[in-house]
Formats: sequence, structure tokens, C-alpha cells
Amino acid sequence: QKEVEQNSGPLSVPEGAIASLNCTYSDRGSQSFFWYRQYSGKSPELIMSIYSNGDKEDGRFTAQLNKASQYVSLLIRDSQPSDSATYLCAVNVWTGNQFYFGTGTSLTVIP
Amino acid sequence: GAVVSQHPSWVICKSGTSVKIECRSLDFQATTMFWYRQFPKQSLMLMATSNEGSKATYEQGVEKDKFLINHASLTLSTLTVTSAHPEDSSFYICSARVRGFEKLFFGSGTQLSVL
Repeated sequence: QKEVEQNSGPLSVPEGAIASLNCTYSDRGSQSFFWYRQYSGKSPELIMSIYSNGDKEDGRFTAQLNKASQYVSLLIRDSQPSDSATYLCAVNVWTGNQFYFGTGTSLTVIP
Repeated sequence: GAVVSQHPSWVICKSGTSVKIECRSLDFQATTMFWYRQFPKQSLMLMATSNEGSKATYEQGVEKDKFLINHASLTLSTLTVTSAHPEDSSFYICSARVRGFEKLFFGSGTQLSVL
């Protein structure tokens, strides 16, 4: 397995705060990067995708990518209790047509 | 978005029996299917990658004779867990990818319990 690392948490933030989730990857051949949200017993659902260095914003979510540092992050602004879930970082190694997931970060938003 | 149908949602079987899990892309043609396994509180572990019409590529440590993957068409992939043992109990998730798109579309998952 290609190495994708995340802080497993749990991460707790108060409602309305900014939640910051981080991910590092080891394969410099990684081309695409994704953040998925997974509720217990459910399949992951895609939150954000990012392909080039910099920031990408979508509503309350901002993904940040730094390929030189092999680092990708997800910021959740105005966190809501419904955001409480496990967040998975995934990378796509294009040459191998494979997707690898990090261990996930458990986020709890406290009302 | 694209829909991937996976069934059964959960299955309980006796040790030594085989279980087949189906994954269908309902409104698109999946050129690649991925099969993952997830143990409680752990991440998704890629088991194998299958392309339509060709043999699956298994990740290191995954026994291809135990986890049989068939990707007979662009809309159907199956995973058969042969001679299941209690340690095979896990959440199995399929995902599909469309050529030209890098996003994965996930099935709803199958919770397998082997007694």
C-alpha cells in the first residue's frame, strides 16, 4: 500500500469553529487528491477534490495542496454538528490507476 | 451523480462457505472497479483493482485465490470470498471509476460476518 498518513484524532471543535484536517503522502507520483467523509457503517462520500497546488474552495470547505511538501489539508469553516464524521484523505497514483486512503481523522463538532 | 449499487448490504455466513458480493454501475460504464476492505475504526484497505475484460490486480498480501474478482462487463464486478473464515469478517466496499474522470463512486458497502 502506498503510504497516506493522517492524524487519527479524535479532533474536537466547538460549533462554528474552523476544523483543520491534515494529510501527507509518500508517493511523488500522486496526481490527484481527494477528501471523503464517512459516517459510521456507511460508504465514503466525496467532499472535495484537488489537482494542483494552492487552495480550492467549495462552500464551507477549503482544500489546500502542496506537492513539494507532499501535503494536503482540508479546512471546514463554521463547523456544524452534522460535520461530525471520519474524514478520509485519498490519493490517486495515476500510473498505477490506484487510489489509496489514509487512516482517517475522526472529527467531533460539539454543539 | 453516478450511482453504484452494491449488494447484499450485509450477509452472515458459516465458516467454510463462499460469499459473492455484486457491484453494479447503474447509469455509467465503469472502466475500473476497486475493491476495499475496512475493519472497524480503520481506513479503507485496497484489495484489488479490476479493469473490464482483464484480470484483477491484487495488492500485496491479498490472496487472489481467496478473493475472486470478476469484472465481466463495464457495469458489473463481483467479489467472491471463498472458504470464508471469521477473520474475513469485515466491511467490503466497491468503487467505480469512469474513464477520463478521476473521481471514485462508491457502493453502499457490504458488512460480512462469518460465524
